[in-house]
Amino acid sequence: DARVTQTPRHKVTEMGQEVTMRCQPILGHNTVFWYRQTMMQGLELLAYFRNRAPLDDSGMPKDRFSAEMPDATLATLKIQPSEPRDSAVYFCASGQTGGDQPQHFGDGTRLSIL
Amino acid sequence: QKEVEQNSGPLSVPEGAIASLNCTYSDRGSQSFFWYRQYSGKSPELIMFIYSNGDKEDGRFTAQLNKASQYVSLLIRDSQPSDSATYLCAVPNNAGNMLTFGGGTRLMVKP
Repeated sequence: DARVTQTPRHKVTEMGQEVTMRCQPILGHNTVFWYRQTMMQGLELLAYFRNRAPLDDSGMPKDRFSAEMPDATLATLKIQPSEPRDSAVYFCASGQTGGDQPQHFGDGTRLSIL
Repeated sequence: QKEVEQNSGPLSVPEGAIASLNCTYSDRGSQSFFWYRQYSGKSPELIMFIYSNGDKEDGRFTAQLNKASQYVSLLIRDSQPSDSATYLCAVPNNAGNMLTFGGGTRLMVKP
């Protein structure tokens, strides 16, 4: 089965450090989403790409977060500098264009900022 | 009002019973609806989708859609302890270009 691949699966680092999370969407999918999940907030959409173009990053703190899609097989989410409040599980999901299309999630990156 | 509302639970049912999970949405124009299951420590997994009013059955799962009342539900028959998870409802947003997720309902099936 095709899967969304995320790396790393776990990341522990000290506050102030740069964190980079990577995502390989399912081949043929042209939409990529980055979510953050915490117990308190649930699933929050951070950024959304279609055909590699960023369409919505309104949910993302602009001062420290950035999302890019350098090619169709790689999406990245960076945090610089990281803060303890960024500790969460970050999910990448991919799908095909259209509101009637589901999203398929990767296994997530569990991030802990000390 | 949130766009997609779910009771956070926990919903506790005995093994073998029917579990009923509900979701309401605000956009009358929504056409497709998705149910995801998320086990603790895992990622959301698509389990059902429904586009038309009425019922859609897949094994022990039945999705029910009522567009007039703007709710979609998921029934799980013969509930098993392995069904214990959080169930997320997802609905396309107003622009129809992404999904809006509800907060999820935590289901506990007790042996």
